[in-house]
Order: sequence, then structure tokens, then C-alpha cells
Amino acid sequence: GDSVTQMEGPVTLSEEAFLTINCTYTATGYPSLFWYVQYPGEGLQLLLKATKADDKGSNKGFEATYRKETTSFHLEKGSVQVSDSAVYFCALRGGDSNYQLIWGAGTKLIIKP
Amino acid sequence: DVKVTQSSRYLVKRTGEKVFLECVQDMDHENMFWYRQDPGLGLRLIYFSYDVKMKEKGDIPEGYSVSREKKERFSLILESASTNQTSMYLCASSPGGAGANVLTFGAGSRLTVL
Repeated sequence: GDSVTQMEGPVTLSEEAFLTINCTYTATGYPSLFWYVQYPGEGLQLLLKATKADDKGSNKGFEATYRKETTSFHLEKGSVQVSDSAVYFCALRGGDSNYQLIWGAGTKLIIKP
Repeated sequence: DVKVTQSSRYLVKRTGEKVFLECVQDMDHENMFWYRQDPGLGLRLIYFSYDVKMKEKGDIPEGYSVSREKKERFSLILESASTNQTSMYLCASSPGGAGANVLTFGAGSRLTVL
């Protein structure tokens, strides 16, 4: 079945460092891919998405490119801030699924001043 | 501002108690979801509903039931709580059609079963 694998956390970086959080997937057909973020004490919210190969999703300085050849959707940011500290979830919707998202385990990001 | 409101942020219950978790959304969304979130396991879907009085089992429905009598409200019921149901429970909603995968989440309900 479809699955999503994220790098384990926590990931600890200093402010202004470059961020990469790896996400790879297994899916049949042509999935849509998502990154959601959960700030402390809050619910998850959509960060960015991509619906077809080579699409780049971007928001709040974060970017992720849908790479079908490597089945990846890595999240990147050029210069992180303390306010980026959160848990990041990669998710996919399979091509034949209307309602269900398949979720990665989440990666906790800690940014130190 | 769109909102999904979960009635309780923290609950402590005893084994065998019946537990109700309530979720209300004010966006007129067709779809509503209940997930549980456990460290290292991500989000696991318990039940979802795509219309009033309709429900579908997710990946881990055992020990849970749901009710959707009105479009805006989706309740999760633990008929007889057990310690392995100690978890964070997340409610979410989404519109129908092309926006169905853009979920809006509530802040969560952390349930402890003693």
C-alpha cells in the first residue's frame, strides 16, 4: 500500500541555518503531496502542496519539489528562525483515494537562537 | 477566520468509562475526520464522514464509534475506554471536491485513561 517515510527527529539547528527535512513516498498512480506543520499547542495546518511531478510548492520561505524519479518531496528553507520550531508532517493522497491522506511520522524541528 | 473547535483540550478518564469527544466546524465543510496522534506513528485515521449521517472506517476504528447528526458536528465515542486509548485526538474538516485534501485541524484533545 501507499506509504510515507520521513527522517527521524528531532532536528536541531541554529537560527539562520539551512533546513532540509527528507520525505520519500511509495504510491501507485500519481499522488498529490503535502507538508503540514504543527506549532506547539496548535492543530496542524497546511504548509504547502504539489499535485504533479516537478511542481514546486512554496510558502513562508519553505519549498518542496515533487520528484517522481526519486519519489521524494523534501522540505527546504534557506534560513530558519526560532519561530519555525514545530513538528512537520509529510503526507500524500493516492491517485485513487478521495478522502484519505497517508501521513509520515512527523519530524520535530528545534531552532536555537 | 475558519475554525475547527474541539470541546476539551485535556481529559482524564478511568478504564471502562464512556468518553465523548466533540468537534464543531464553522466552514460548512462536507468532510470531517478523527485522527489519533502518537509519537513516532504520525497521524492514524480512526473514522471519517463525507456527509451528514455517513461514516467510513479509517485505519484503526476498533474501540471507537462516531456520530454525525449535523453537518457541523462530528463526535468520537469511546464506548469503554482503555489505557491503550491514551493519546492525542485530532479532529479535522475539509471541503468537498478539489479542496478535499486541504484539511483544517482543531487544536487537539489529549486523553489520558487511567
